[in-house]
Amino acid sequence: AQSVTQLDSHVSVSEGTPVLLRCNYSSSYSPSLFWYVQHPNKGLQLLLKYTSAATLVKGINGFEAEFKKSETSFHLTKPSAHMSDAAEYFCVVSGLSGNTPLVFGKGTRLSVIA
Amino acid sequence: NAGVTQTPKFRVLKTGQSMTLLCAQDMNHEYMYWYRQDPGMGLRLIHYSVGEGTTAKGEVPDGYNVSRLKKQNFLLGLESAAPSQTSVYFCASKEMRISYNEQFFGPGTRLTVL
Repeated sequence: AQSVTQLDSHVSVSEGTPVLLRCNYSSSYSPSLFWYVQHPNKGLQLLLKYTSAATLVKGINGFEAEFKKSETSFHLTKPSAHMSDAAEYFCVVSGLSGNTPLVFGKGTRLSVIA
Repeated sequence: NAGVTQTPKFRVLKTGQSMTLLCAQDMNHEYMYWYRQDPGMGLRLIHYSVGEGTTAKGEVPDGYNVSRLKKQNFLLGLESAAPSQTSVYFCASKEMRISYNEQFFGPGTRLTVL
């Protein structure tokens, strides 16, 4: 069985400061990991994905995440927050098997203060 | 190329009424999924399909039925709506390649059951 734990339900940062959204996963085999972003009243957009290639994954809008197998973590970071980054972020895990459904974390709401 | 579309965008039902949500994708994807999103719960899988004519239960299937008569369409039905089914519903699709597990999401349907 697979599971995802997002360690913070809400993170607040000042504009221009670094962003860290934490995610731990549990998987009985080598997982695929994703971060999705959801802006208010919008659908989900893929930020980045890890699929057993490079452990440091770069995504859109300056976000990146590092897969750390020893820590079972896949934290999302960004060097400098922008007001437009305010949104809900979901960490997601899936096995490499083609028909394995995604398992979502409960989400982290990021607020950016001017 | 519209991607994944959902109809309708909003709906209000009375308890006991029935309705069908339509999901359509034009990417020739084999796999399709229905999720519901509730505050603080992330997205939870209701039902999914790994091909035309096939369906399977997800994490929260009770009170819902689905059909996949055509590859491009995935229907979610509520036979007798209950207030507990008030939620935002997302459809997603994915291609079949084992090494590529990204799901593409529709814009969502906001359903209120009174």
